[in-house]
Amino acid sequence: QSVLTQPPSVSAAPGQKVTISCSGSSSNIGNNYVSWYQQVPGTAPKLLIYDNNKRPSGIPDRFSGSKSGTSATLGITGLQTGDEADYYCGTWDSSLSVVLFGGGTKLTVL
Amino acid sequence: QLQLQESGPGLVKPSETLSLTCTVSGGSISSTSNYWGWIRQPPGKGMEWIGSIYYSGNTYYNPSLKSRVTISVDTSKNQFSLKLNSVTAADTAVYYCARHVEVETYGGNSEAFDIWGQGTMVTVSS
Repeated sequence: QSVLTQPPSVSAAPGQKVTISCSGSSSNIGNNYVSWYQQVPGTAPKLLIYDNNKRPSGIPDRFSGSKSGTSATLGITGLQTGDEADYYCGTWDSSLSVVLFGGGTKLTVL
Repeated sequence: QLQLQESGPGLVKPSETLSLTCTVSGGSISSTSNYWGWIRQPPGKGMEWIGSIYYSGNTYYNPSLKSRVTISVDTSKNQFSLKLNSVTAADTAVYYCARHVEVETYGGNSEAFDIWGQGTMVTVSS
């Protein structure tokens, strides 16, 4: 299992809001920045959030990120069927000296 | 617009060396202060960072793979490459190359992969 813990799946109806959590420790999330990726099955991951809460150019403001202590959260509002994908958190672990990814969360838009 | 493209054999025999190349187009691999990284994803599983290289040749690797991995850069060809030796079936995965934005700040390390190749499937089998 991953050092960064994410729920295996979340679901919500179109138009609703969903949050995806990523839990770690002081050696990773607690003292480093978090990024979030969206991966539609069969395609490459896409950067959604970096530095905990910043969005790259072209990413809609429906996507947001936050961090508190040793946990981070990705929020998606106004859910669309096109948001169905796997979502991964990522960060540096200062003790392990490694870039870590969470195990991924599958989002279903009902 | 910067683009990355992986290339290399899709089938490698056990105990042999996996070799992949990532070609960067739409910009110079040495024009920006970024690292260039390799990430892999076994079928149906999550992602694993393999390692990253700066255009000057400075590298850092995932400790779990370090003994088997070499990442190199060829600025004249605008490419960087991955070699993973002594492969087993556990190395079967989609391999991605990506631009690795890495910044060390007082507030911690910032690591993000902002531009990705499409990925290439590598199967280890006899």
